[in-house]
Amino acid sequence: EAGVVQSPRYKIIEKKQPVAFWCNPISGHNTLYWYRQNLGQGPELLIRYENEEAVDDSQLPKDRFSAERLKGVDSTLKIQPAELGDSAVYLCASSPGQGNSPLHFGNGTRLTVT
Amino acid sequence: RKEVEQDPGPFNVPEGATVAFNCTYSNSASQSFFWYRQDCRKEPKLLMSVYSSGNEDGRFTAQLNRASQYISLLIRDSKLSDSATYLCVVNRNNDMRFGAGTRLTVKP
Repeated sequence: EAGVVQSPRYKIIEKKQPVAFWCNPISGHNTLYWYRQNLGQGPELLIRYENEEAVDDSQLPKDRFSAERLKGVDSTLKIQPAELGDSAVYLCASSPGQGNSPLHFGNGTRLTVT
Repeated sequence: RKEVEQDPGPFNVPEGATVAFNCTYSNSASQSFFWYRQDCRKEPKLLMSVYSSGNEDGRFTAQLNRASQYISLLIRDSKLSDSATYLCVVNRNNDMRFGAGTRLTVKP
């Protein structure tokens, strides 16, 4: 079974520039998550999709962050414009969404904003 | 109060030691629970699910106490390779929330 695929692995940008991250979940996984993880902290949920519907985006900073999962499969997360405080690891995860299944994570995208 | 709280750590133990981590959660309607392991600069990986009756996987034992709203992870006979950060995860209706993690270092 192919795992969750994320790209890019690393991204360095200057503040005020836009950046986008891409995620392809495990085939058949209806639920997709974007988390942000700062150094020394646990992952914090940004947005959760059930198929193509964003069912929880309460912690997504909507002034600069946007996300989409148009066909209910892969997803993109965008930041525009980026700020210094956005430097973090952005993790995508997926699960079947049934029966209390655990999450499967991608390798993450390490973002550095200078 | 955070939804999921863990022992702050770090835990520094010698090889062969037994170490236990605790995690408390605030939402009594939480349905399922997990322990994840995260190595430095890597993504979290599932260590084990936590079942109501408690469960064991080799040297690892997980327990759940719904009345007190906490879960625990016990590692027996610690190995150098157990050095990592251990993350507690609490789920309610696919809303997966993580603790801040507890860092474990096992020393020779």
